[in-house]
Amino acid sequence: DSGVTQTPKHLITATGQRVTLRCSPRSGDLSVYWYQQSLDQGLQFLIHYYNGEERAKGNILERFSAQQFPDLHSELNLSSLELGDSALYFCASTSQGGDTEAFFGQGTRLTVV
Amino acid sequence: GENVEQHPSTLSVQEGDSAVIKCTYSDSASNYFPWYKQELGKGPQLIIDIRSNVGEKKDQRIAVTLNKTAKHFSLHITETQPEDSAVYFCAASFGNAGNMLTFGGGTRLMVKP
Repeated sequence: DSGVTQTPKHLITATGQRVTLRCSPRSGDLSVYWYQQSLDQGLQFLIHYYNGEERAKGNILERFSAQQFPDLHSELNLSSLELGDSALYFCASTSQGGDTEAFFGQGTRLTVV
Repeated sequence: GENVEQHPSTLSVQEGDSAVIKCTYSDSASNYFPWYKQELGKGPQLIIDIRSNVGEKKDQRIAVTLNKTAKHFSLHITETQPEDSAVYFCAASFGNAGNMLTFGGGTRLMVKP
């Protein structure tokens, strides 16, 4: 158990809908990273939050947004969903920026039908 | 941005043999190189990492080597066991961007008993 909790584990929704994925980092970790894992694109960095502030953006679509709350949990919002958004979404947390170990959650498997 | 290439994409070995997975990276500023193991239905789990000021690191049956000049690093697993079967990912990052990881495409390792 990495200590990072993601809910829900599975999500099935229709095209055009909006969903929210939730991540609770390890106790005390200030940084949360979101990654998307798809068969054709592998593991891709989406966005990084540190103590409530956005720090870096990767290949995140404009239809996607995220935020980190005062209690340090984070939510990834995906809207106007398309079939191609079907993927595993992982969050990871670290205790600080820089080269420290990233602990990954179990992921949320999103299926858009 | 950083680009990480990983080879081979699949690797099948006999139990007890060694397995080697190789990665190359493009950004000479990268200074942290973790390796993750992902089992079916789980998130990536760190198995070993190496920083740019070190050429080699070993942890029991697992070792990683880094050649900064050639910008490549490798994972070596000796005396493989069936439980080593999983997908392995290499990654690279540089400290001033936090721990945003750029992943290789993954290697599916199968250890045949």
